[in-house]
Amino acid sequence: DTGVSQNPRHKITKRGQNVTFRCDPISEHNRLYWYRQTLGQGPEFLTYFQNEAQLEKSRLLSDRFSAERPKGSFSTLEIQRTEQGDSAMYLCASSLGEEGASGANVLTFGAGSRLTVL
Amino acid sequence: GQNIDQPTEMTATEGAIVQINCTYQTSGFNGLFWYQQHAGEAPTFLSYNVLDGLEEKGRFSSFLSRSKGYSYLLLKELQMKDSASYLCAVRDGNYQLIWGAGTKLIIKP
Repeated sequence: DTGVSQNPRHKITKRGQNVTFRCDPISEHNRLYWYRQTLGQGPEFLTYFQNEAQLEKSRLLSDRFSAERPKGSFSTLEIQRTEQGDSAMYLCASSLGEEGASGANVLTFGAGSRLTVL
Repeated sequence: GQNIDQPTEMTATEGAIVQINCTYQTSGFNGLFWYQQHAGEAPTFLSYNVLDGLEEKGRFSSFLSRSKGYSYLLLKELQMKDSASYLCAVRDGNYQLIWGAGTKLIIKP
C-alpha cells in the first residue's frame, strides 16, 4: 500500500471556475476525512465519510463545496465558483475506526492538493 | 468555545532538548495527538495520549495531564531534520479532532 494519494498536487485556477480534487485512501481504511489548511494554521475540518456515508460536514463549509465517496473507496471534493479565499492546501486523511469507539484512530494524511485561485 | 494553544515558534540547537507545550479547553476529552509536519508536506503521526503520564517513543516523548488540560512534546538529541511544525490535536467529547495552529520549530547548528 502506498498510503493516501491525492491528485492533483497543485491546481491554479481563475476565480469563478470549478475544481475537483481526488483522494485515494489506504485500502483497508473505512474512514475518510477532508481538511483545509492555510499557512501557519492547523488543519480545518471540512467533512468525513465512514464507508460511503457522509457522516458530518462542517457548518463553516459553504454550499459551493461538495464531497462524494460513491463506492466507499476513493473520494472527490468539488469546489464550485471558486473564490480567492478558497486558496489553501486541501488535505485528505484516512483511518480505520468505528463511530464513537475508543482507541487511537490515527489519521494518515495524503500530501495534499494545493489550490491557488487567481 | 473549544481552544488549543501552543507557541507559534520555537528555536533550539542541534543536539539539545526542546519541550513544546500545548494547553486545551474542549467539551469532553477522548485523547490528544501530536503530529509533525514538514513544510509543504502532510502531517505525520507522532504520539497519542489518553491517560495521564508520559509516553516515550525513541527521541520523542509526550506527556498528558487531563486535570490541567495540558500536554507537552519533548524532543531529545535534536537533529536538523526535526525542523518542522508540530501540531497538537485533541479529540473532544463528540470524537471530533480539534487542531492547534502548530508550533514551528527551528533547529540551529
